[in-house]
Amino acid sequence: EDQVTQSPEALRLQEGEGSSLNCSYTVSGLRGLFWYRQDPGKGPEFLFTLYSAGEEKEKERLKATLTKKESFLHITAPKPEDSATYLCAVQAGIGNTPLVFGKGTRLSVIA
Amino acid sequence: DAGVIQSPRHEVTEMGQEVTLRCKPISGHNSLFWYRQTMMRGLELLIYFNNNVPIDDSGMPEDRFSAKMPNASFSTLKIQPSEPRDSAVYFCASRRTGESPLHFGNGTRLTVT
Repeated sequence: EDQVTQSPEALRLQEGEGSSLNCSYTVSGLRGLFWYRQDPGKGPEFLFTLYSAGEEKEKERLKATLTKKESFLHITAPKPEDSATYLCAVQAGIGNTPLVFGKGTRLSVIA
Repeated sequence: DAGVIQSPRHEVTEMGQEVTLRCKPISGHNSLFWYRQTMMRGLELLIYFNNNVPIDDSGMPEDRFSAKMPNASFSTLKIQPSEPRDSAVYFCASRRTGESPLHFGNGTRLTVT
C-alpha cells in the first residue's frame, strides 16, 4: 500500500528564518511526487511535480528536492504570506491513477 | 478558466437526511476525483472517474455513499442517509491527462448534526 508521511506536523518560523519540510514515501513504481499549498477554507493549490531522484524545482522562496525515499520542501527567507498547510502526494501505477496524500505540515511564519 | 466549481460551499443537515454535493470540472479535463478531508485522516480518495466512467470506488466508506458523472461537465456525490461521522470537507478535483497535476475546487464543508 502506498504511504506518505510528512513531518513535522506543525512548524512555526520567524520571518526570514529558513527551514525544510519532509515528505517520506513508500510506493511501488513512483510516477511523480507532488507538492501542494492549502490555505484555510480553500482547496489545495499545485506547486511542483518531481519525477526522478535528484530532480529539483524552485518557485520564489520554495525549492523542492527528491530522493528515492523522500522529498524536501525548503523555504528560504519565509514571509508571513507563506503561512499555509503544505501537502505532499505521490502517484504510482500505470495510467490515470489518483494521488495519495500525506496529512500535511502546518507552517506559521511570524513577522 | 473558471477552475473546478463545487456547490454548495457549506451544508448543514440533520442526521438521516440526504445530501448531494455537486462538482463542475475544468473544461477539457477527462478525469475527476472526489476526496474527503478531516483533521484525523487528511485527504482520502473516495472515488474517481476517467472519461465519465467510475474506475475505483473502493474508498467510498459505505453503501450510503454514491457518485455519478452523467457527462463530462458534471458530477455528484450523494450521501443517504447522512450521519454525524460524515462531517468533513469534500473536495472535487480534475485532471487533463495522467501526467498532469490535479486541480482542486474549494470544497464543500458538510456538517451533520
